[in-house]
Amino acid sequence: GDSVTQMEGPVTLSEEAFLTINCTYTATGYPSLFWYVQYPGEGLQLLLKATKADDKGSNKGFEATYRKETTSFHLEKGSVQVSDSAVYFCALSDRGGSNYKLTFGKGTLLTVNP
Amino acid sequence: EAGVTQFPSHSVIEKGQTVTLRCDPISGHDNLYWYRRVMGKEIKFLLHFVKESKQDESGMPNNRFLAERTGGTYSTLKVQPAELEDSGVYFCASSQEVIGELFFGEGSRLTVL
Repeated sequence: GDSVTQMEGPVTLSEEAFLTINCTYTATGYPSLFWYVQYPGEGLQLLLKATKADDKGSNKGFEATYRKETTSFHLEKGSVQVSDSAVYFCALSDRGGSNYKLTFGKGTLLTVNP
Repeated sequence: EAGVTQFPSHSVIEKGQTVTLRCDPISGHDNLYWYRRVMGKEIKFLLHFVKESKQDESGMPNNRFLAERTGGTYSTLKVQPAELEDSGVYFCASSQEVIGELFFGEGSRLTVL
């Protein structure tokens, strides 16, 4: 079956540091890939997505590129802020472009210190 | 516009008791999903409603779980009788179309003692 593996953390960084959260996946079809973020006391929110190979999703300074050859979708940000402290989830959907039946990773807790 | 709301935010019950979780999706969203995150594990799909119909309930763990969506509006997820392994956070999400942004609620934390 489909699966997503992401670095579990927790990850602790200082403000303005570079962030990478690794995510690799296994899928039988041609999945769409997502990063969701959960800020304290809130629901999960879509951060960015990519629906085909070599697509780059970007939002709020975060980026991730769909790498089919390495089955990866690593999340990066050049300079993190305290407000980026949250749990980040990598996810895939095996129904192209849809939200249907998402498969999630375990989540990575990020703490950014001032 | 109100987001996806879930109630209760936290429920503590004893093994063998019954709990009902409620989800109010965003108004007009035909698609409603339930997911569950058991401690230390991935968020797992439970089921998908389109309006009042169950489109896919392949993720429901067993027959102790019953989900309904009356009139295609709010949804309930009942666990009866609850077991220790049912503890976790239950998330509800909704979307207008299957292809489109998915909006999650804050989750209902269930603790079974």
